[in-house]
Amino acid sequence: KAGVTQTPRYLIKTRGQQVTLSCSPISGHRSVSWYQQTPGQGLQFLFEYFSETQRNKGNFPGRFSGRQFSNSRSEMNVSTLELGDSALYLCASSLEGPNSPLHFGNGTRLTVT
Amino acid sequence: GIQVEQSPPDLILQEGANSTLRCNFSDSVNNLQWFHQNPWGQLINLFYIPSGTKQNGRLSATTVATERYSLLYISSSQTTDSGVYFCAVGNSGAGSYQLTFGKGTKLSVIP
Repeated sequence: KAGVTQTPRYLIKTRGQQVTLSCSPISGHRSVSWYQQTPGQGLQFLFEYFSETQRNKGNFPGRFSGRQFSNSRSEMNVSTLELGDSALYLCASSLEGPNSPLHFGNGTRLTVT
Repeated sequence: GIQVEQSPPDLILQEGANSTLRCNFSDSVNNLQWFHQNPWGQLINLFYIPSGTKQNGRLSATTVATERYSLLYISSSQTTDSGVYFCAVGNSGAGSYQLTFGKGTKLSVIP
């Protein structure tokens, strides 16, 4: 079974631009979560989707948004990029949500200059 | 929100040694998972263990939910065990579908 696939692996953007990251979950997994990892703040929850519905959103500004499609694939978008948005963005999938094992993709490393 | 504390923050081991990593959490949880992040950044799920004890090869984990802690045991450590170990907790019963991660324990295994 293929694992969680995130694209692209690396991204360099300029302040003020926007970016879209993509995540394909493990086949059969209906829950997709997104996390931001930085050296200073560690791993922080962004949002979780289940059957195309956002069930939870973390404490991030409205510039961070996401969606899930009917095939469970998910995208997250960050608009008006700031230097502080530079981070590793990790997508994770699970069968039913956090009460089942979470499996992470390799992440997208975003650098904002 | 739930607070998660992991100890020790850093650990250096000689190859072959055993170690115990601890995770304390501040509130009741019905979900606890341990992850290993390798030097290339990949996060691997080690255990889904909201309570009880599980073993997988040289690794085992125990969660005592009533006392709000979990332990990860690594025996006969190998250099490939190096990386950061994260504990993550959640409580979907409270309507939360997120996991809160600790800051991790950075393990270095030297030959």
